[in-house]
Amino acid sequence: EAGVTQSPTHLIKTRGQQATLRCSPISGHTSVYWYQQALGLGLQFLLWYDEGEERNRGNFPPRFSGRQFPNYSSELNVNALELEDSALYLCASNLGGTSKETQYFGPGTRLLVL
Amino acid sequence: AQSVTQLGSHVSVSEGALVLLRCNYSSSVPPYLFWYVQYPNQGLQLLLKYTSAATLVKGINGFEAEFKKSETSFHLTKPSAHMSDAAEYFCAVSGETSGSRLTFGEGTQLTVNP
Repeated sequence: EAGVTQSPTHLIKTRGQQATLRCSPISGHTSVYWYQQALGLGLQFLLWYDEGEERNRGNFPPRFSGRQFPNYSSELNVNALELEDSALYLCASNLGGTSKETQYFGPGTRLLVL
Repeated sequence: AQSVTQLGSHVSVSEGALVLLRCNYSSSVPPYLFWYVQYPNQGLQLLLKYTSAATLVKGINGFEAEFKKSETSFHLTKPSAHMSDAAEYFCAVSGETSGSRLTFGEGTQLTVNP
């Protein structure tokens, strides 16, 4: 069974540009989560999508947004990139989105903003 | 609100020695607790989880953790460290009021010396 996949693996942008990160969940999983792992800031929850809708949002500005498609894959968009957006962005998926269901993580997209 | 504290950002042990990684949590509702491991340049892999069944939880690679409500702790142990255990370990908590998000501790980097 294929795990969570993310693309691209690396992304280099300049300040002010937009970045689009993609995630495909494990087959059968309907919930997708996005986390940011920035140096010195740890792992921070960004967004949760379930059945095509945004269900919960972390403490991030509105320029972080995303969507979930009918096939449950997801995109994370970061507009007006800032230097501090440089981080590893991790996507996770699980069944049904309940709190006790294990979240399975992808390998991440490393975003570098110059 | 929920939070996790991992005591010790760096732990160093000798090969064959006991591994003990500490995690304390704060939660206003019964928590679900997770330990994940992250190898360099990879995503997170689940080691084990507690979801209100048995308080002693066994995971992969010989790791186990014990949920102690009175101490609000969920420490991770392994009787005998292997070189391959060197990685970063994250404790995480979720709960029914957290909107399915995982709240992570700051991580503990485990070094295993030959």
